[in-house]
Amino acid sequence: DADVTQTPRNRITKTGKRIMLECSQTKGHDRMYWYRQDPGLGLRLIYYSFDVKDINKGEISDGYSVSRQAQAKFSLSLESAIPNQTALYFCATSDLHTGAPGEPQHFGDGTRLSIL
Amino acid sequence: AQKVTQAQTEISVVEKEDVTLDCVYETRDTTYYLFWYKQPPSGELVFLIRRNSFDEQNEISGRYSWNFQKSTSSFNFTITASQVVDSAVYFCALSGRNQGGKLIFGQGTELSVKP
Repeated sequence: DADVTQTPRNRITKTGKRIMLECSQTKGHDRMYWYRQDPGLGLRLIYYSFDVKDINKGEISDGYSVSRQAQAKFSLSLESAIPNQTALYFCATSDLHTGAPGEPQHFGDGTRLSIL
Repeated sequence: AQKVTQAQTEISVVEKEDVTLDCVYETRDTTYYLFWYKQPPSGELVFLIRRNSFDEQNEISGRYSWNFQKSTSSFNFTITASQVVDSAVYFCALSGRNQGGKLIFGQGTELSVKP
């Protein structure tokens, strides 16, 4: 089983709909992140969370919200989807307690979201 | 501000050629971490390497090698004797010590290795 699981893997929806992307992890990591990938732009950070009570905006948070329901779960919501939110979305985790600030992030397999 | 630039958008080589992917970064942090990730056609992101700013030793792992030069703010990635399975998008990323683990990604380089 994957350590970082994203659901759904693919989603096609219409403009104006509310969408929730879910991420769960079995790695026991404290830190979780949401990124979006667009062609030619790499990955950009949407939101990140250091624990259940600590949620922070990233570089491109407008139009998105998140919920950290438990240490293992971090959901990303698009309240009213628009076409330019069509992208590949990644959830990632990293471990606060390894003692190494540069601990690499571990990514889910991504959710491909298309908004018509 | 932190920034990562991968100036090569696409590279195409023939199998067995050597290829170097360039990565240039900007940061004001004195301690930082550099990463390379591979994204094969299937879409997942695969961690390849992490390098600390205070460790300038080059690293070799099989056909892969990395050249870290603080003087030029570069962290280049070389694949020796490329294979078709190396075809992927490669991302360079940066994280400052005080950035809470957040990664700043470059735009990615799409490598195509033809038989």
